[in-house]
Amino acid sequence: NAGVMQNPRHLVRRRGQEARLRCSPMKGHSHVYWYRQLPEEGLKFMVYLQKENIIDESGMPKERFSAEFPKEGPSILRIQQVVRGDSAAYFCASSPPGGYADTQYFGPGTRLTVL
Amino acid sequence: RKEVEQDPGPFNVPEGATVAFNCTYSNSASQSFFWYRQDCRKEPKLLMSVYSSGNEDGRFTAQLNRASQYISLLIRDSKLSDSATYLCAALRPPLKTSYDKVIFGPGTSLSVIP
Repeated sequence: NAGVMQNPRHLVRRRGQEARLRCSPMKGHSHVYWYRQLPEEGLKFMVYLQKENIIDESGMPKERFSAEFPKEGPSILRIQQVVRGDSAAYFCASSPPGGYADTQYFGPGTRLTVL
Repeated sequence: RKEVEQDPGPFNVPEGATVAFNCTYSNSASQSFFWYRQDCRKEPKLLMSVYSSGNEDGRFTAQLNRASQYISLLIRDSKLSDSATYLCAALRPPLKTSYDKVIFGPGTSLSVIP
C-alpha cells in the first residue's frame, strides 16, 4: 500500500509564474490536508478537502492560492503569480473517512523555490 | 499568543542523556495531543499520541498535565539517531468548524552529540 505521494518533490519557479503541486492520498483515504512550512517554522494549516469539496480553507491566502480534490485524480494546490515569499515546503497529508489527526499520514513534501 | 507553543531550543545533548521538551496549549477544550518527529528536509512522522495522562513507548514518555495545559516529551538514553525536530500538536475540537483540527507547534530541535 503506497503512502501519500507528492510531486514534484522540488519545484523552481520565477516570480509571476504558476506553481502546481500534486498530492495523491493513500489508497482508501478521502480526506486531504495541505500544510506550508517555512524554514525554521512549524506546519501551518492551509486547506482541508474531501472528494470534490473544500471543507476548510481558512489557512489559505485568499488571493493567488486555490486547491481542489476532484472525484478522479490527485489533489492539486495551485499558486498563481508566485512571489519569493511563497518559497517553502508544502506538505500534504491524508486520512481515511472518519479518521482523526492521529490517522493523518504525511507525504514527502514539495519544496518550492521562487527565484 | 499561539495556540500551541514549544520550547524554542535547540537542545544539544550528549549521547545517553535524558532530555525533556515542553509544549503548552491555550485551548482548554483540546483533548488529544500528539508528538511528531521531523527529520531534516523530511515529512513529519507520528511518534506518539496522548489521550489520557500519558503514554510510554520504549525510551519515549509523554505526559499530559491538563490543569497546567502542557504536554511533555521525555527521551531517555538519547541516541544519535534521535537528532531531529520534535513537533507538538493539539487536536482542536469543533467549535467554528464541524470537525477536529490539528494545530501544530513550531517545533523543538534536538541534536544528540557523540
